[in-house]
Amino acid sequence: EAGVAQSPRYKIIEKRQSVAFWCNPISGHATLYWYQQILGQGPKLLIQFQNNGVVDDSQLPKDRFSAERLKGVDSTLKIQPAKLEDSAVYLCASSLTGGNTIYFGEGSWLTVV
Amino acid sequence: GNSVTQMEGPVTLSEEAFLTINCTYTATGYPSLFWYVQYPGEGLQLLLKATKADDKGSNKGFEATYRKETTSFHLEKGSVQVSDSAVYFCALSSGSTLGRLYFGRGTQLTVWP
Repeated sequence: EAGVAQSPRYKIIEKRQSVAFWCNPISGHATLYWYQQILGQGPKLLIQFQNNGVVDDSQLPKDRFSAERLKGVDSTLKIQPAKLEDSAVYLCASSLTGGNTIYFGEGSWLTVV
Repeated sequence: GNSVTQMEGPVTLSEEAFLTINCTYTATGYPSLFWYVQYPGEGLQLLLKATKADDKGSNKGFEATYRKETTSFHLEKGSVQVSDSAVYFCALSSGSTLGRLYFGRGTQLTVWP
């Protein structure tokens, strides 16, 4: 079974530039999550989708971050404009509806300089 | 609210030593508890889980028991190997939050031959 796919794996951008990350969840998983993991900390939820609807985006900095899951399958997370403190690993994860086991992708490593 | 507290790292052990990584939690409702492992340069992998009080999760020689009375979920392994070197994250999922995970800060484990 294929896991959660993410791209790009690594990205370096200058502050005030924009960046987009893509995620394809495990087939059949209706719930999709984006987490932010800053170095030395545990992952923090940014946004949770159920199919193509947003369940929780309370921790998403909406002035600069946006995410979409238009067809209820793959998803894109965008940052514009980026700040230095956005340097982190962006983890995509998925789970079955009502499931409590979440499967993570390998992450997209962002460095803002 | 929901939160997880892990013992501070880093933890350094010799091969075949006994490992304990402490984890305590606060939660609303009846949480499920997890240990995730992150090897260098990789994403999070589910190591083990327990969904109700007194359950014991186990995998690859690691064990953790869900203790409701002490709100704890300590990770143990009787004999660690060099290949166990990684960052370990304790996490909880409260039933009221549809699978969203709350993570501890992580504990870096290094095992020397």
